[in-house]
Amino acid sequence: QQPVQSPQAVILREGEDAVINCSSSKALYSVHWYRQKHGEAPVFLMILLKGGEQKGHDKISASFNEKKQQSSLYLTASQLSYSGTYFCGTVEIQGAQKLVFGQGTRLTINP
Amino acid sequence: DGGITQSPKYLFRKEGQNVTLSCEQNLNHDAMYWYRQDPGQGLRLIYYSQIVNDFQKGDIAEGYSVSREKKESFPLTVTSAQKNPTAFYLCATSQGTTEAFFGQGTRLTVV
Repeated sequence: QQPVQSPQAVILREGEDAVINCSSSKALYSVHWYRQKHGEAPVFLMILLKGGEQKGHDKISASFNEKKQQSSLYLTASQLSYSGTYFCGTVEIQGAQKLVFGQGTRLTINP
Repeated sequence: DGGITQSPKYLFRKEGQNVTLSCEQNLNHDAMYWYRQDPGQGLRLIYYSQIVNDFQKGDIAEGYSVSREKKESFPLTVTSAQKNPTAFYLCATSQGTTEAFFGQGTRLTVV
């Protein structure tokens, strides 16, 4: 079951904040966040495990609400380098341990 | 260097041909994945393997085949049964609950 991301696209000015959401109808073991630049491979940002936690580094952080099976990625004081498509990936608790991704959120940061 | 090597970077296929995309890793990871990405779209799971000599279908396995004879290698064959194979193909590996690492991708075009 692929997770659902929202919004599909965001346009910001440099310095503004953004939130990207990821939700699943299944109980999740973990949520992964990646950023992909056009034509390149996705780059790992962070992983959140079952148990509900929040992680962050620099100005990018994420939370995982285990009860709601939802995760959010927070980008504060956005920089031009944050532009790209953000994907959440999920691993369900039950069934095969496979990593499936949402459809992505395209983030554009303008000067 | 440790990592994942996908080859070739660009591949052209004629109608009715089978082609094989290579994915090799030296990270000693157990799990390997193949994803397909269409322009502006998310990552869709084709096949995945958790251990050698075993693999499972993902969400869009029709028209594709794989093998996992060695831990390091997980080649993907795009068969003539895949009617719309033009896409960007990404191979990834992971170990346990850690993040997935991606290769640089193969861009396949039907000519």
